Amino acid sequence: QSALTQPASVSGSPGQSITISCTGTSSDVGGYNYVSWYQQHPGKAPKLMIYEVSNRPSGVSNRFSGSKSGNTASLTISGLQAEDEADYYCSSYTSSSTLGVVFGGGTKLTVL
Amino acid sequence: QVQLQESGPGLVKPSETLSLTCAVSGYSISSGYYWGWIRQPPGKGLEWIGSIYHSGSTYYNPSLKSRVTISVDTSKNQFSLKLSSVTAADTAVYYCARPAGGDFYDAFDIWGQGTMVTVSS
Repeated sequence: QSALTQPASVSGSPGQSITISCTGTSSDVGGYNYVSWYQQHPGKAPKLMIYEVSNRPSGVSNRFSGSKSGNTASLTISGLQAEDEADYYCSSYTSSSTLGVVFGGGTKLTVL
Repeated sequence: QVQLQESGPGLVKPSETLSLTCAVSGYSISSGYYWGWIRQPPGKGLEWIGSIYHSGSTYYNPSLKSRVTISVDTSKNQFSLKLSSVTAADTAVYYCARPAGGDFYDAFDIWGQGTMVTVSS
């Protein structure tokens, strides 16, 4: 199982929108709608932000949205706020080699 | 609400076996759900280790499968991780977590606080 590919870092100013990509293969991101996104602040456990490509758990701001096209999933954060500065990880079900779960390498979001 | 709490030694010697337990409160493991372990080396990303169903059915990361055993103890409402022949590369924060849905590949919506394990002599 190879890790999903994410950009190492993205940045944006307050109020702007940013998009983080997550690229996999047809054995994971492209083949199933089990893509999720997590937010992690330093020293904290990850927090689920998006599940099944585009669904938000209760309590997560509607400024966070997810989508997928082919083998690439995306997380968009609109109306950037200082509190959004964190690491973001994508994850997917995978059928490559054996059935399992694979994470992306993570993206550091900096709010300028 | 459902809460998870990891416990175990914070320091393990190279070549020995790392053992951690995740205590579950607010939900009976016997009622269902898969339960998983994820780790994060210092300054690095998340890595799924494996998941177990209350019946004992397991799924493991193939890169760790030869060294990993995940088990469940429904009487104590907890599940455990054993990782054998550890090296410095196994130094990480280890999290236990529960997928939101009924399957092991569902998104993890409940996480423990994590426990740091250092492999060093």
